[in-house]
Amino acid sequence: DIQMTQSPSSLSASVGDRVTITCRASQGISNSLAWYQQKPGKAPKLLLYAASRLESGVPSRFSGSGSGTDYTLTISSLQPEDFATYYCQQYYSTPSLTFGGGTKVEIK
Amino acid sequence: EVQLVQSGAEVKKPGESLKISCKGSGYSFTSYWIGWVRQMPGKGLEWMGIIYPGDSDTRYSPSFQGQVTISADKSISTAYLQWSSLKASDTAMYYCARQKQQLVYDAFDIWGQGTMVTVSS
Repeated sequence: DIQMTQSPSSLSASVGDRVTITCRASQGISNSLAWYQQKPGKAPKLLLYAASRLESGVPSRFSGSGSGTDYTLTISSLQPEDFATYYCQQYYSTPSLTFGGGTKVEIK
Repeated sequence: EVQLVQSGAEVKKPGESLKISCKGSGYSFTSYWIGWVRQMPGKGLEWMGIIYPGDSDTRYSPSFQGQVTISADKSISTAYLQWSSLKASDTAMYYCARQKQQLVYDAFDIWGQGTMVTVSS
């Protein structure tokens, strides 16, 4: 299995801050990477796919970048509704399309 | 509206069997892979497997192969996740989700609301 390592596991930030979350794959995944947002008690929501493509309806303050094994989710100006847990997922290689461990974004 | 609606919460005893469901609507159910994702209490997301309802082609994560069965009934646009003998460690929220494109492996763009399964004696 490809292992996905997210960092940090949690962070504290203020409204308006720029936030960056990193996901590192144990081998190259050719931009086959998605980012999800999950709020407590809710299902995950797709934010970006193919590493940098914004899902329809997702605010443009969310962006993704990266290549090979290293990928980044950036929130350019954190809003109150962005406090949540974020997960990356590789869908490049089976047998398991693994998720990262998650990053909890909390209010500072 | 494209949506997946899952069956309600379940409370079961160890050793019992269970089948939970996920009904798709608003799109061609047979043309998109449906997956199942486990989230244990307070933990992260785990990919369990996927099924293509058009021909029931199914792929499992090795961690879940032999532990669960994924199936689908295309006549009623419903996917299923089934256990033959539950364990306490199966206690979790289970989500179904649709893959974004008609590819074997892709991101999940539409999610069900989740089904909480509690296994306790």
